[in-house]
Amino acid sequence: QQQVKQSPQSLIVQKGGISIINCAYENTAFDYFPWYQQFPGKGPALLIAIRPDVSEKKEGRFTISFNKSAKQFSLHIMDSQPGDSATYFCAASGAYGNKLVFGAGTILRVKS
Amino acid sequence: GAGVSQSPSNKVTEKGKDVELRCDPISGHTALYWYRQRLGQGLEFLIYFQGNSAPDKSGLPSDRFSAERTGESVSTLTIQRTQQEDSAVYLCASSLVWTPLNEQFFGPGTRLTVL
Repeated sequence: QQQVKQSPQSLIVQKGGISIINCAYENTAFDYFPWYQQFPGKGPALLIAIRPDVSEKKEGRFTISFNKSAKQFSLHIMDSQPGDSATYFCAASGAYGNKLVFGAGTILRVKS
Repeated sequence: GAGVSQSPSNKVTEKGKDVELRCDPISGHTALYWYRQRLGQGLEFLIYFQGNSAPDKSGLPSDRFSAERTGESVSTLTIQRTQQEDSAVYLCASSLVWTPLNEQFFGPGTRLTVL
């Protein structure tokens, strides 16, 4: 119940294309869903986050779509750039205090 | 200001040895977290400290793992009698307060290799 399932494991997108990463969760007590971006050799950094009272949140080229009934949320990266090449993690928290439960990660490569 | 720092950046040890990993959180952050990241996997919660409250140790995988925090500053994660399966990157994060909506800021991690 604490798992967050993330797909795909890896993704290759052409420059200018849309990158889509999906996550699903089971625990309905989760109420905070952040996405983290990690570059090699660095710690993850918060990219964007959403709470279940909204269905979508957009920040620049990054959008989270949230489907509470399906217990799914996704990250869309519009106009993907080579600099977006990184590992992306979805996460969730709320049921167990502040600790984050992470998905397994998606390695994104944007080809120029 | 300075971010979360961790030391050492890399640690190679022999099976059975004890190791200590250090985390310096962002000044003023009351909450501190340790996570483990195995190769190609997501982050796995280990322990978190919030102010002077008892730490949440629910993620520690065995009694070989322990952590301490001095007040609202430095934390040390200790792994005793290391095993090969302990090889991973150990990440520390801190946040201003403990509530879920507060962003966790991660350090660069310590890569532990147990031979």
